[in-house]
Amino acid sequence: DTVLTQSPALAVSPGERVTISCRASESVSTGMHWYQQKPGQQPKLLIYGASNLESGVPARFSGSGSGTDFTLTIDPVEADDTATYFCQQSWNELTFGSGTKLEIK
Amino acid sequence: QVTLKESGTGILQPSQALSLTCSFSGFSLSTTGICVSWIRQPSGKGLEWLADICWDDGKGYNPSLKNRLSISKDTSNNQAFLKITSVDTADTATYYCARRAPVAYYWYFDFWGPGTMVTVSS
Repeated sequence: DTVLTQSPALAVSPGERVTISCRASESVSTGMHWYQQKPGQQPKLLIYGASNLESGVPARFSGSGSGTDFTLTIDPVEADDTATYFCQQSWNELTFGSGTKLEIK
Repeated sequence: QVTLKESGTGILQPSQALSLTCSFSGFSLSTTGICVSWIRQPSGKGLEWLADICWDDGKGYNPSLKNRLSISKDTSNNQAFLKITSVDTADTATYYCARRAPVAYYWYFDFWGPGTMVTVSS
């Protein structure tokens, strides 16, 4: 299995720029996708194919990377962005990262 | 408007079989490129892809669970089904169905149901 490693948690203030990282145990090319999950809700697609913004998602969200290192950036962060962010790869079978919990101070 | 909704056995005992139904609207499982997947999430933990079924009746299973999973569909009624045999407490989770985006090159999930909680307890 391709293991995706994410930092467990981050805390930032509104208006700041935050980067959430996801590292794959082997190359996944650009087959990386990002989701936002708020407490008690289902995940919501933000970014697909490493850098493509899903329709309807604010342009404050962006994705970058290829191979093994990927980043989700939120700039500027808003209070409503409090959530857990998951990466998911689709190059080698299909696996998810363990999630990064983002707190807005 | 695409919507999905899961339903199934809420509480069951170890060794029983779990049956889940995904009822959806806004798309058809007879349309080329369309697939529906099942994904689960233990409380407070990460996501695990379980299985998917596609318009051409192609099926995919998580290799670690393959022997216990069976996925099927009813195209006429816009439903997909998942059966998990011989459950134990480790199968306690929220189970989601999701549409796999109809994009040939990438597999990701563009619409999700709200999830259904399943508890396995003796």
